[in-house]
Amino acid sequence: GQSLEQPSEVTAVEGAIVQINCTYQTSGFYGLSWYQQHDGGAPTFLSYNGLDGLEETGRFSSFLSRSDSYGYLLLQELQMKDSASYFCAVRGTGGFKTIFGAGTRLFVKA
Amino acid sequence: NAGVTQTPKFQVLKTGQSMTLQCAQDMNHNSMYWYRQDPGMGLRLIYYSASEGTTDKGEVPNGYNVSRLNKREFSLRLESAAPSQTSVYFCASSGGHDNEQFFGPGTRLTVL
Repeated sequence: GQSLEQPSEVTAVEGAIVQINCTYQTSGFYGLSWYQQHDGGAPTFLSYNGLDGLEETGRFSSFLSRSDSYGYLLLQELQMKDSASYFCAVRGTGGFKTIFGAGTRLFVKA
Repeated sequence: NAGVTQTPKFQVLKTGQSMTLQCAQDMNHNSMYWYRQDPGMGLRLIYYSASEGTTDKGEVPNGYNVSRLNKREFSLRLESAAPSQTSVYFCASSGGHDNEQFFGPGTRLTVL
């Protein structure tokens, strides 16, 4: 089967750095993605890792280690607007079937 | 560009009724997806279409059918709605090598 694990909640203060981890078990692996979702909204794409290593996009970075079946999303210089749910997602068999984790709720405090 | 559009935005059904959720994208994407999201949970894949003319089951296909009408449109049908199908339904499309998925605004469905 396929499964992803990520923490259910994380709390951090404005201006800080937070890391959200994701471990996965899949049959076939084509890449790990991260999505952000604000309450009542639709998920929006943040980043994608197809190969091992770090990808940086502005304040957000994402890391992948395929040998450890592990990745993380790093958010720097946290802002109040970063309060949202963050989902990791794995492309599995065939490269199109995408499985999402249950999500990590991030609370940013002043 | 409108991106991914979904209709309707809200719907209330009685148990046993049928309905079709519509989804269209104007980004010329090959792949389209239907997900459901229950409170406090992640997205679960119902069906996907890797390209026009093909559809495949996802994690939770029971009780649903899909049609990839053309490259733009991918509809989801509930033949006999059940209270367990109360959820928010998202349609998405993707076309790049990184499989970045673009989501529609969602349909909030309640089955009484």
